Amino acid sequence: GAVVSQHPSWVICKSGTSVKIECRSLDFQATTMFWYRQFPKQSLMLMATSNEGSKATYEQGVEKDKFLINHASLTLSTLTVTSAHPEDSSFYICSARDRTSGTNTGELFFGEGSRLTVL
Amino acid sequence: GDSVTQMEGPVTLSEEAFLTINCTYTATGYPSLFWYVQYPGEGLQLLLKATKADDKGSNKGFEATYRKETTSFHLEKGSVQVSDSAVYFCALIPGGGKLIFGQGTELSVKP
Repeated sequence: GAVVSQHPSWVICKSGTSVKIECRSLDFQATTMFWYRQFPKQSLMLMATSNEGSKATYEQGVEKDKFLINHASLTLSTLTVTSAHPEDSSFYICSARDRTSGTNTGELFFGEGSRLTVL
Repeated sequence: GDSVTQMEGPVTLSEEAFLTINCTYTATGYPSLFWYVQYPGEGLQLLLKATKADDKGSNKGFEATYRKETTSFHLEKGSVQVSDSAVYFCALIPGGGKLIFGQGTELSVKP
């Protein structure tokens, strides 16, 4: 199946610093990528929808200035957590849809996730 | 709004037991329905899907039938194995492409 790679898989940073997480579709082109946040023992919370070449669409309650999303190419989306604080510590997961798949029926391919720990 | 509700876990079964994980949804129109699985230390992967009413998705011995009359998509397996231990997520795409997840159900299978 299609592969989505996230990097880094885990990162530890100091409070106040910014962290960038990359999401790459390795063998397909993705016009749309999604960023999720997963808390321990909980489901995935959709943070934003990233469309190639346009601004991301953020879900209600997600600070766009805090979580900067860039989707500059058909194979790469980045999530930057700016001025990170301990409450931002979480597991961040991206997913991508093959541009040839239908919007409502196409499978989403998930990255392995990136665990962020802010000290 | 659109939502998915799963039975709470953790679910603990003995090997070869029958598995049912309940999933019900709320959505307008005709959403596509999915089950994703997350094995320990790994990312999510699609287990099976159904795109219209009465469709049955199946994979690796797991099955789920899209029941519009009961707005359900229960996951079943006749004989679970230790290797099936994972977290299972029911999800739907109501339209517009956003995948909406249930809260996940942790399954633990004991030998």
